Amino acid sequence: SQQGEEDPQALSIQEGENATMNCSYKTSINNLQWYRQNSGRGLVHLILIRSNEREKHSGRLRVTLDTSKKSSSLLITASRAADTASYFCATLRNSGNTPLVFGKGTRLSVIA
Amino acid sequence: DAGVIQSPRHEVTEMGQEVTLRCKPISGHDYLFWYRQTMMRGLELLIYFNNNVPIDDSGMPEDRFSAKMPNASFSTLKIQPSEPRDSAVYFCASSLADIFNEQFFGPGTRLTVL
Repeated sequence: SQQGEEDPQALSIQEGENATMNCSYKTSINNLQWYRQNSGRGLVHLILIRSNEREKHSGRLRVTLDTSKKSSSLLITASRAADTASYFCATLRNSGNTPLVFGKGTRLSVIA
Repeated sequence: DAGVIQSPRHEVTEMGQEVTLRCKPISGHDYLFWYRQTMMRGLELLIYFNNNVPIDDSGMPEDRFSAKMPNASFSTLKIQPSEPRDSAVYFCASSLADIFNEQFFGPGTRLTVL
């Protein structure tokens, strides 16, 4: 089963609104990463948050991590039509030498 | 750097034919990953290499799938014989130094098996 599960599966908002996507995972992690995928393209790395960090910012992106709840959230502020994409969380387990495990993603639609 | 390069971008073939997907990772990257993406199953890791050596191929669906990395700048994913259920988008990704780092994805190859 997938390590990370995004919620909601799909989200539709108006331009200018904030978008929040959540990710839950099952095992302890070294870090958690968020990626964006535009239609017909490969995934693009957005931000990485380590297990000892609680919050991280990058431009209009804000990521939080709660290791006690095994969850993370991605907030996009002042959304734009160009933010329309699928967003994936990916977790790196703390044990063993295993690579990232991706969730199924949240499809975000920003309506102009 | 041009990023991760994949070819072909689109492939349409008939059931039973051999399919070869190609990937050129970013120069200097030590890890290379092959993924398959479908609506039903999401993004699945098929196999990954470290310094050209296959590390984990447990995600390869069956013996019809094989992957090679003859040198640091080239990898192939082969399906022989192909089946309609293999239709998907196949991505190659590479990362620098270790698996903790971000992965850089190629544009993908959309495979359709008729």
